[in-house]
Amino acid sequence: SQKIEQNSEALNIQEGKTATLTCNYTNYSPAYLQWYRQDPGRGPVFLLLIRENEKEKRKERLKVTFDTTLKQSLFHITASQPADSATYLCALDIGSGGSYIPTFGRGTSLIVHP
Amino acid sequence: NAGVMQNPRHLVRRRGQEARLRCSPMKGHSHVYWYRQLPEEGLKFMVYLQKENIIDESGMPKERFSAEFPKEGPSILRIQQVVRGDSAAYFCASSGGQPAGGQTQYFGPGTRLLVL
Repeated sequence: SQKIEQNSEALNIQEGKTATLTCNYTNYSPAYLQWYRQDPGRGPVFLLLIRENEKEKRKERLKVTFDTTLKQSLFHITASQPADSATYLCALDIGSGGSYIPTFGRGTSLIVHP
Repeated sequence: NAGVMQNPRHLVRRRGQEARLRCSPMKGHSHVYWYRQLPEEGLKFMVYLQKENIIDESGMPKERFSAEFPKEGPSILRIQQVVRGDSAAYFCASSGGQPAGGQTQYFGPGTRLLVL
């Protein structure tokens, strides 16, 4: 069956360091992958989308890579700040009757310590 | 330009009652998605609708749950005869195009349903 895996353990890092979060998937080939940020008690907020033919995408301090051979995406936040503390979700499209609904991983909690 | 709006933000129901959750998509968006999120779990897709049509309801429980997106007014997720296991956060998202094109979804703040 199709599976999306994100590290369930919280990632604790020091302010100023680079945070790297991992999203692994099995048993399908998504056309694109998205990363969202979710704060407690709030809805997810879209951050970046990367397509299957793109290896890397950047937006300010954020960088996403997409390795379709390894079936893995890495999400990097450089020069991390305490305000970056949140849960980060990856989402992949899954063809379901042709509608390709984004399917979300459980998310990884990032805690940036001052 | 208001974002996705959901109401109520919090809803308390007793077992057996009905819960109605409303979602107004972003202006200009005609695609609406409903998700459910349990504590420590990911977002689970429930249903995808366009105006007056259910496009994909593969994530909806077969009984007690229904959704609509009328020509006028918000999308409604309706849960009949609620049970304790329905307690969760329900999120609505909207997009301006079909997900096959990688359209970004914009999420509302969610409705937290508590069934006593």
